[in-house]
Amino acid sequence: EIVMTQSPATLSVSPGERATLSCRASQTVSSNLAWYQQKPGQAPRLLIYGASTRATGIPARFSGSGSGTEFTLTISSLQSEDFAVYYCQQYNNWPPMYTFGQGTKLQIK
Amino acid sequence: QLQLQESGPGLVKPSETLSLTCTVSGGSISSSSYFWGWIRQPPGKGLEWIGSVYYRGITYYNPSLKSRVTMSVDTPKNQFSLKLSSVTAADTAFYYCARHRDYGGNLGDFDYWGQGTLVTVSS
Repeated sequence: EIVMTQSPATLSVSPGERATLSCRASQTVSSNLAWYQQKPGQAPRLLIYGASTRATGIPARFSGSGSGTEFTLTISSLQSEDFAVYYCQQYNNWPPMYTFGQGTKLQIK
Repeated sequence: QLQLQESGPGLVKPSETLSLTCTVSGGSISSSSYFWGWIRQPPGKGLEWIGSVYYRGITYYNPSLKSRVTMSVDTPKNQFSLKLSSVTAADTAFYYCARHRDYGGNLGDFDYWGQGTLVTVSS
């Protein structure tokens, strides 16, 4: 099983500043990585797939990068609605096994 | 706009079978480009993929749950379902259904999610 490790567990950033979240895979997943945002009481929402492609309707301030085992989600200028928990997910396995990171909580500084 | 909605009992007794249904609206469950998945999240914790099913009945399950999981599709009703047997308190979680995108044979991300339903395992 591919283990996904996110860091930091909690990130405190001021509105308007840049946030950088990391995700590391225990073995290569190529570019088969997605990022999700989850707000309290809501389902996760797909932000990024293929490591760097924004999903439909996602603002341009969200960007993803990386390949292999190291990935980054960057939010260029934090808005109040961006404070949430973010998860990465890999989809490189055969036989199928889709694993998520443990999440990074992005909170207001 | 595609919508998914979970339904089923919110309370299940230990050792019994958890049964949930996901109703898909605004699109067909019989699309060739998608599987349909279940993901769970214990309160305050992270996400765990349970399994995914294709409208023709192909299933993929998380190996850690495989012995207890059954998923199926009802295409006339545009629904798919989850059964998890022999539940314990560790199965208490929010259960989400989601559309699982198929990238030409390799399943990928989950692009549409239901709102989730809390299932508590308790006597």
